[in-house]
Amino acid sequence: GNSVTQMEGPVTLSEEAFLTINCTYTATGYPSLFWYVQYPGEGLQLLLKATKADDKGSNKGFEATYRKETTSFHLEKGSVQVSDSAVYFCALSDRNTGGFKTIFGAGTRLFVKA
Amino acid sequence: GAVVSQHPSRVICKSGTSVKIECRSLDFQATTMFWYRQFPKQSLMLMATSNEGSKATYEQGVEKDKFLINHASLTLSTLTVTSAHPEDSSFYICSANSGETQYFGPGTRLLVL
Repeated sequence: GNSVTQMEGPVTLSEEAFLTINCTYTATGYPSLFWYVQYPGEGLQLLLKATKADDKGSNKGFEATYRKETTSFHLEKGSVQVSDSAVYFCALSDRNTGGFKTIFGAGTRLFVKA
Repeated sequence: GAVVSQHPSRVICKSGTSVKIECRSLDFQATTMFWYRQFPKQSLMLMATSNEGSKATYEQGVEKDKFLINHASLTLSTLTVTSAHPEDSSFYICSANSGETQYFGPGTRLLVL
């Protein structure tokens, strides 16, 4: 079945450091790929998405490229801020009857120190 | 963009009571909604798919008689945790599709004493 694997956290960085959170997936067909962010005590917010191979999703300085050949969707940011501290979830969306079922990775907690 | 709301945001109840959580799509209609559960510091686990006008589809291992789902209209799905116990304490999140994009509610934190 479909699955998402992302690097374990927590990841601790200093402000302005470069961020990479690895994500790989297993899927039949051609899923859409997502990164969601969850701030403490809140629900999930869509950060970015890509719907087909070689697409690059970007938002708020974060980027991820849909790599079909390596089945990856790594999240990157050139310069993190303290406000980026959150849990990041990689996910894929698999169309099923009546809608899209989203499968989540385990989440990676990011701490950014001032 | 599309908005999904949940009510209540937090609820504390006594063991043995039932709790109803509402999920609403505020500016779009959703024939399908999803209910997830999230334990502390863990990922989201899909519990069930809520289908408007028909029975919900439950994931393996989820007790359908304990977690009752009703999707009576195109903008409202409810999850009722029946005879709640402390182990049901969790963060419950719903989502709804608008086109090919899935939107998540802010979540409901349930604490069963």
